[in-house]
Amino acid sequence: DTEVTQTPKHLVMGMTNKKSLKCEQHMGHRAMYWYKQKAKKPPELMFVYSYEKLSINESVPSRFSPECPNSSLLNLHLHALQPEDSALYLCASSQDTSGSGETQYFGPGTRLLVL
Amino acid sequence: GQSLEQPSEVTAVEGAIVQINCTYQTSGFYGLSWYQQHDGGAPTFLSYNALDGLEETGRFSSFLSRSDSYGYLLLQELQMKDSASYFCAVRDHTDKLIFGTGTRLQVFP
Repeated sequence: DTEVTQTPKHLVMGMTNKKSLKCEQHMGHRAMYWYKQKAKKPPELMFVYSYEKLSINESVPSRFSPECPNSSLLNLHLHALQPEDSALYLCASSQDTSGSGETQYFGPGTRLLVL
Repeated sequence: GQSLEQPSEVTAVEGAIVQINCTYQTSGFYGLSWYQQHDGGAPTFLSYNALDGLEETGRFSSFLSRSDSYGYLLLQELQMKDSASYFCAVRDHTDKLIFGTGTRLQVFP
């Protein structure tokens, strides 16, 4: 099973709402990632979890809060977002963050619209 | 700064061969990866080069020259389904995967 799943597929939220994005993998990968992707742009790294610990935060605003409850799950909690946060949010996983982590497996993404 | 430059768009016809170039300047280099992304879809891994030379996987090949900080993805026997965006990517010294600017490939009948 080389699948990363993400829910929901689409999300519309107001600027005062609180919502969560969920990501799951059952490949035994120990590194998980959140990316943000705007139309016609490459994915931009937001967070990296390695062995369930946050290892990289790319200076992401605090209105985005990641959580890794266990080695298979990754959440992204959203609060008080801005319209410019509308984007495709991609979750990915890899064996780890070292050499074997070159291959990242991406989920289908959550398309977020902030009104 | 770190940069991976790619042509923004490439067009070709079915059955043709196309090459997508990537030049990089990064702090640390552990290899060059290539990802394909269809519109509305997720990036999917295509290939990885850690050493200089050509790696072949079916219709796709990838090349790396570390001394030139350059690589390319070669797509042969193009099919309509190959129409997608293609990203090169490099893992830097902080273990982050840095993506290139992306190349949109359009294949025409």
